[in-house]
Amino acid sequence: DAGVIQSPRHEVTEMGQEVTLRCKPISGHDYLFWYRQTMMRGLELLIYFNNNVPIDDSGMPEDRFSAKMPNASFSTLKIQPSEPRDSAVYFCASSLPRDRRTEAFFGQGTRLTVV
Amino acid sequence: AQKITQTQPGMFVQEKEAVTLDCTYDTSDQSYGLFWYKQPSSGEMIFLIYQGSYDEQNATEGRYSLNFQKARKSANLVISASQLGDSAMYFCAMREGSSGSARQLTFGSGTQLTVLP
Repeated sequence: DAGVIQSPRHEVTEMGQEVTLRCKPISGHDYLFWYRQTMMRGLELLIYFNNNVPIDDSGMPEDRFSAKMPNASFSTLKIQPSEPRDSAVYFCASSLPRDRRTEAFFGQGTRLTVV
Repeated sequence: AQKITQTQPGMFVQEKEAVTLDCTYDTSDQSYGLFWYKQPSSGEMIFLIYQGSYDEQNATEGRYSLNFQKARKSANLVISASQLGDSAMYFCAMREGSSGSARQLTFGSGTQLTVLP
């Protein structure tokens, strides 16, 4: 299995531009999570999906952020317009938690820099 | 209140020695799971070990073991025989609730471990 695949690995963009981050979860996993990692705030959950349906988006910082999961094998996180404070590493993770035990498998992350 | 607290921002250990990374948690759920992840400088998040709240035995995975003290709400990670490759950031995380309820992990702030040759 290729694991969780995120693209791009690195993104540098100018303030005000739209940014789209992509994620392909592990095949068969029915939970998908988007996390953001910064030095100041650590790892924060932004949103998660179950069977392609958003379950909890309370961590999405503001309306500039949106996430979709059009099918079981693809999800996007969009920031429009981007701001310098959005600079962070964005992780996508997936899991198949039949019980509490199943860990979340993380992608390599996308390092976003907004200048 | 913080759900996961890691009080050691940085730790040093001599190669081949054991090291304990602290983690305390806060939950009112009876059913929960505790996880440890490793994040090397390359950035990926690597799952290490899991402990369930109802597990009677402390979890072990190779050189990793979890010192689970439920009454104290602590789940410390013990790494035995440290290796240079163990140098990384280590995160403690918790999943609350029984199967079917909240599925997300809440993470602590991490401990940066440096293994000295």
